[in-house]
Amino acid sequence: KAGVTQTPRYLIKTRGQQVTLSCSPISGHRSVSWYQQTPGQGLQFLFEYFSETQRNKGNFPGRFSGRQFSNSRSEMNVSTLELGDSALYLCASTQGGSYNSPLHFGNGTRLTVT
Amino acid sequence: DQQVKQNSPSLSVQEGRISILNCDYTNSMFDYFLWYKKYPAEGPTFLISISSIKDKNEDGRFTVFLNKSAKHLSLHIVPSQPGDSAVYFCAATTPGGRAQKLVFGQGTRLTINP
Repeated sequence: KAGVTQTPRYLIKTRGQQVTLSCSPISGHRSVSWYQQTPGQGLQFLFEYFSETQRNKGNFPGRFSGRQFSNSRSEMNVSTLELGDSALYLCASTQGGSYNSPLHFGNGTRLTVT
Repeated sequence: DQQVKQNSPSLSVQEGRISILNCDYTNSMFDYFLWYKKYPAEGPTFLISISSIKDKNEDGRFTVFLNKSAKHLSLHIVPSQPGDSAVYFCAATTPGGRAQKLVFGQGTRLTINP
């Protein structure tokens, strides 16, 4: 089975721009979560989608948004980029049937905002 | 408010000896705990988990211990191998139906010396 695929791997954007990151979950997995990893804050939960609906949300500003498509693929969008948005963005998937199912992570998208 | 804390940013252990990674939490509602391992340029991979109804879970060289009264868990790796060198994250979650939301610690970088 192919793992979680995130594209692109690296991205450089300018402050004020917007960015869209993509995630393809493991086949059969219906839950997709997004996390932000920064050196100071560790991994922080952004949101989770299941069957095209946002099921849970972390404490991030409204500039961070996401969506999930009918094939379970997910995108995350960040508008009006700030320097502090520079981070590794990780997508993870599970089948979605239980809150304590281990997450399967992709290798992440490294976003640099200049 | 850091609900999950890994107070040791780094740990160095000799090959063949025991590695002990520690994690403290503050939220008494957490009822499931997981450990993830992360290599550079890769996403975290699930290692082992434990439910709050247990105080120990073992999987090969890896054992997780949970002390609910102290709100403390630890990961023991015996014997430590060079391939164990990675960043280790502990994570916790609260019962929430099927919704996924992990709270991660900031990670401990484990280095196994030959």
